[in-house]
Amino acid sequence: RKEVEQDPGPFNVPEGATVAFNCTYSNSASQSFFWYRQDCRKEPKLLMSVYSSGNEDGRFTAQLNRASQYISLLIRDSKLSDSATYLCVVLFSGGYQKVTFGIGTKLQVIP
Amino acid sequence: EPEVTQTPSHQVTQMGQEVILRCVPISNHLYFYWYRQILGQKVEFLVSFYNNEISEKSEIFDDQFSVERPDGSNFTLKIRSTKLEDSAMYFCASNRWASGSPDTQYFGPGTRLTVL
Repeated sequence: RKEVEQDPGPFNVPEGATVAFNCTYSNSASQSFFWYRQDCRKEPKLLMSVYSSGNEDGRFTAQLNRASQYISLLIRDSKLSDSATYLCVVLFSGGYQKVTFGIGTKLQVIP
Repeated sequence: EPEVTQTPSHQVTQMGQEVILRCVPISNHLYFYWYRQILGQKVEFLVSFYNNEISEKSEIFDDQFSVERPDGSNFTLKIRSTKLEDSAMYFCASNRWASGSPDTQYFGPGTRLTVL
């Protein structure tokens, strides 16, 4: 099983649609979880951290299910500017910090 | 807002040559990282660095790679003898990292390395 698994997509959705991405991780000792956004040929940029209680930032909602080792990202009212690749990132903090990226899910919002 | 910077933005080199990629992490950060992303593939961890030494490295980070913090601001990645398969985007990242709490890594804009 891959350490961090995502559906690479692409997800093609119309403007205004709601879209959900999922991510699973294999290391049950993982401690922190993030969604990053990456535009074509650019660096990853933090979208939001993910907490067990769920967290929301405007049109974006992230959820973590530790029992199922599953992370989700929901985007409501999609905008053209949301078109990007969304990276699921899992962090293990032991004596060092190990960060593992998923392959990313590509989103294309269509006018 | 402080940011991680990287130079050069694009480096073209001949196979077998040495390259040095440079990064200036955010000034109050203590932990530094290098990642690479081959075109169309996922971001891969190379190495983490803290307190002037490597704290963790991946299997990709073999003897051809080295990192250094030569002064108080720069963080460099050296590839001694480049191979074609080293062609990728190399990202530097940094964070403060308080153990036990999530701490975001901030990424630089990357250096695109092309090995001919």
